[in-house]
Amino acid sequence: QKEVEQNSGPLSVPEGAIASLNCTYSDRGSQSFFWYRQYSGKSPELIMFIYSNGDKEDGRFTAQLNKASQYVSLLIRDSQPSDSATYLCAVNEDNFNKFYFGSGTKLNVKP
Amino acid sequence: DVKVTQSSRYLVKRTGEKVFLECVQDMDHENMFWYRQDPGLGLRLIYFSYDVKMKEKGDIPEGYSVSREKKERFSLILESASTNQTSMYLCASSSPRGYEQYFGPGTRLTVT
Repeated sequence: QKEVEQNSGPLSVPEGAIASLNCTYSDRGSQSFFWYRQYSGKSPELIMFIYSNGDKEDGRFTAQLNKASQYVSLLIRDSQPSDSATYLCAVNEDNFNKFYFGSGTKLNVKP
Repeated sequence: DVKVTQSSRYLVKRTGEKVFLECVQDMDHENMFWYRQDPGLGLRLIYFSYDVKMKEKGDIPEGYSVSREKKERFSLILESASTNQTSMYLCASSSPRGYEQYFGPGTRLTVT
């Protein structure tokens, strides 16, 4: 059973701070890594993905991979109250037919 | 605008009933998925399908079956509902080389 672990939180940060979310995975064969945001009562929506070959920055969001330690992180700069949500980490092997999700980290950004 | 729809947002069924959850996508995606989401357990894959009439078991297929007769429609069937199947059920779709799964709004099923 492939495992994806996340701290459930809640992680509380003040508005404007950097929020750092982490995820560890058990399968060294994982090739693709995804971060989904899920607002309360809503479905997950993809915010970032990275492949095993590098990090990625998109606006206020940066996804980083540490393959040696088998963890992936999501940094949110200049956090806003609208970033308050649960963030789900997911991993995938070399195809896109099966995704393995963590249980999510709840982020609270306080005004 | 991409869209995945699910037949019901809320459903209440009795123990032993046969339950059908329907999912329809309008993106011509080959892959479709059924997950359940429970507090503290995240999303767990029940079944997925990569083509019409094709299906593969996910991590927790026991007590469930699926049907995919048309490309756009993927049904989840609870043959005899039990209380431990009370959960949020999420359907998703993606293209074969697609990095993004598009999720439906979810069906919150309560089995009493």
